[in-house]
Amino acid sequence: TQLLEQSPQFLSIQEGENLTVYCNSSSVFSSLQWYRQEPGEGPVLLVTVVTGGEVKKLKRLTFQFGDARKDSSLHITAAQPGDTGLYLCAGGSQGNLIFGKGTKLSVKP
Amino acid sequence: GAVVSQHPSWVICKSGTSVKIECRSLDFQATTMFWYRQFPKQSLMLMATSNEGSKATYEQGVEKDKFLINHASLTLSTLTVTSAHPEDSSFYICSATSGRAYGYTFGSGTRLTVV
Repeated sequence: TQLLEQSPQFLSIQEGENLTVYCNSSSVFSSLQWYRQEPGEGPVLLVTVVTGGEVKKLKRLTFQFGDARKDSSLHITAAQPGDTGLYLCAGGSQGNLIFGKGTKLSVKP
Repeated sequence: GAVVSQHPSWVICKSGTSVKIECRSLDFQATTMFWYRQFPKQSLMLMATSNEGSKATYEQGVEKDKFLINHASLTLSTLTVTSAHPEDSSFYICSATSGRAYGYTFGSGTRLTVV
């Protein structure tokens, strides 16, 4: 069974701080996606990474896919209250998406 | 961009009744749709995968007779929760893909409360 472990589960920080969320697995994934979900809504795709070692930047967010395609990280620079939400990583394999348990981020002004 | 519409956004029903949730891909043909359930403060748990015109594939532990899935067209899949019980109360989310290796669009979810 393929599993994605996300850490930390909860993160509460002050506005302006930096943070990193990790997504690890013992399995290789053909692609990995990061989503952000707000309460009462569906997940919204932030980025997809497919190549080992790939780094993608989306404004203050930096995503990295591990060389072996088993892990990924999401780094947020100068976090803002608007970044608050549940961040989910999901690995693509054989047409299905497997989700991590998520990291609940709270950014306090 | 790809848009998936899920309806209703929330529903309250009495125990023993059935509830139907619709998932529509608005601007693309969804060869595969997925149904997830999400309990409070937890991640998304895949319930079933449905391909247009064929029977859904259910995940282990999901009762196919209780959660009826129909994917009759390339733009519509429905999930019917039959004989609902309070423990079925949850947030149900669908997603759709046109078959690419990556590229899943999620609906906005349906909050089901069974009283």
